[in-house]
Amino acid sequence: DIEMTQSPSSLSASVGDTVTITCRASRSISSYLNWYQQKPGKAPNLLIYAASSLQSGVPSRFSGSGSGADFTLTISSLQLEDFATYYCQQSYGTPWTFGQGTKVEIK
Amino acid sequence: QVQLQESGPGLVKPSETLSLTCTVSGDSISNYYWSWIRQPPGKGLEWIGYIYYSGNTNYNPSLKSRVTMSVDTSKNQFSLKLRSVTAADTAVYYCARRDNSAYYEWFDPWGQGTLVTVSS
Repeated sequence: DIEMTQSPSSLSASVGDTVTITCRASRSISSYLNWYQQKPGKAPNLLIYAASSLQSGVPSRFSGSGSGADFTLTISSLQLEDFATYYCQQSYGTPWTFGQGTKVEIK
Repeated sequence: QVQLQESGPGLVKPSETLSLTCTVSGDSISNYYWSWIRQPPGKGLEWIGYIYYSGNTNYNPSLKSRVTMSVDTSKNQFSLKLRSVTAADTAVYYCARRDNSAYYEWFDPWGQGTLVTVSS
């Protein structure tokens, strides 16, 4: 299985900050990397697919980059509604696997 | 717009079979692959497997010996059965559509999720 490791596991930030979350795969996955946002009690919501493509309807302050084994999710000008947990997920090969999550909390 | 809704018992006894159904509205189930994903309370996400309308399946090897997925195109539904459950199978179970562009794949949308507790 391809193991996905996110860092940090949690972070505190203020409204207006720029936040970066890192996801590392245990081997190269090209650009087969997706990002999801999950709020408490809700299902995950797709933000970014294919490493850097913004899902329709997702604010442009979210961006993704990377290829191979190292990826980042950047949230520019953090808004109150962005405080949530973020997961990366590889679709290079089954079993599809997720990172352990990064919780973004209010400072 | 596509919507997914999970249904099934919220409580299952140890050693019994967990059975869930996902009803798809707003699109034909025949157009996509469909997945089940679970999340134990306070923990991360685990992909269980996917099914195509033809019946083609792909299961996570960690669960393969206990999982069966099926599809009912007449009802636009797909289902999950997980046998011989233990407390470790307690989780929120989500159904999701596997969408794709060329070789890139992702889960969107998701159902709201249903909590299944394994307890006597």
